[in-house]
Amino acid sequence: GENVEQHPSTLSVQEGDSAVIKCTYSDSASNYFPWYKQELGKRPQLIIDIRSNVGEKKDQRIAVTLNKTAKHFSLHITETQPEDSAVYFCAASIGGNTPLVFGKGTRLSVIA
Amino acid sequence: GAVVSQHPSRVICKSGTSVKIECRSLDFQATTMFWYRQFPKQSLMLMATSNEGSKATYEQGVEKDKFLINHASLTLSTLTVTSAHPEDSSFYICSARLDRGIETQYFGPGTRLLVL
Repeated sequence: GENVEQHPSTLSVQEGDSAVIKCTYSDSASNYFPWYKQELGKRPQLIIDIRSNVGEKKDQRIAVTLNKTAKHFSLHITETQPEDSAVYFCAASIGGNTPLVFGKGTRLSVIA
Repeated sequence: GAVVSQHPSRVICKSGTSVKIECRSLDFQATTMFWYRQFPKQSLMLMATSNEGSKATYEQGVEKDKFLINHASLTLSTLTVTSAHPEDSSFYICSARLDRGIETQYFGPGTRLLVL
């Protein structure tokens, strides 16, 4: 089955700097890659997703890139703010009714 | 956007009792819902896939007689933790897909279960 690896497990950046979180997946059939942000004690919130027919997607300060050949995808957050501090999870699925497989998460701390 | 609710938000129960958790899609129909378990500072672990009108599909290592799932309507799935024990204490989260062919999943707010 699918296996998703996520790095780093923790990341600290200064406010205004960029943050990059990387994930790799094992199943070449995976075609959907969402990113979720989870604040302490709250539900995961979808922040951006990308499908395998696209190499990059951007939404304001957040962007995701996908390299299908290398089977890795990354989350880029620019101009980080303290409210970006949270745990971020990447995930992958092969679509249809199949469930998401999550990475272990990255705890991002933005230091003011 | 799509809204998923869960009830209760937290529950404390005695060992040996059963606890039912409800997951509802409020503004859309969900033929498929997923149940996850999350331990502190860990990732989401998929427990089972809940399909409306059919039996749930459980992940390896998850006891189907321990965690009963019922998806009786297009907007409601329930997870019952039977004969709960302290090791069942965890954060349980459900998610729902918008529709067939659309992979986007939206999560409920979660239920924190504490078994004494």
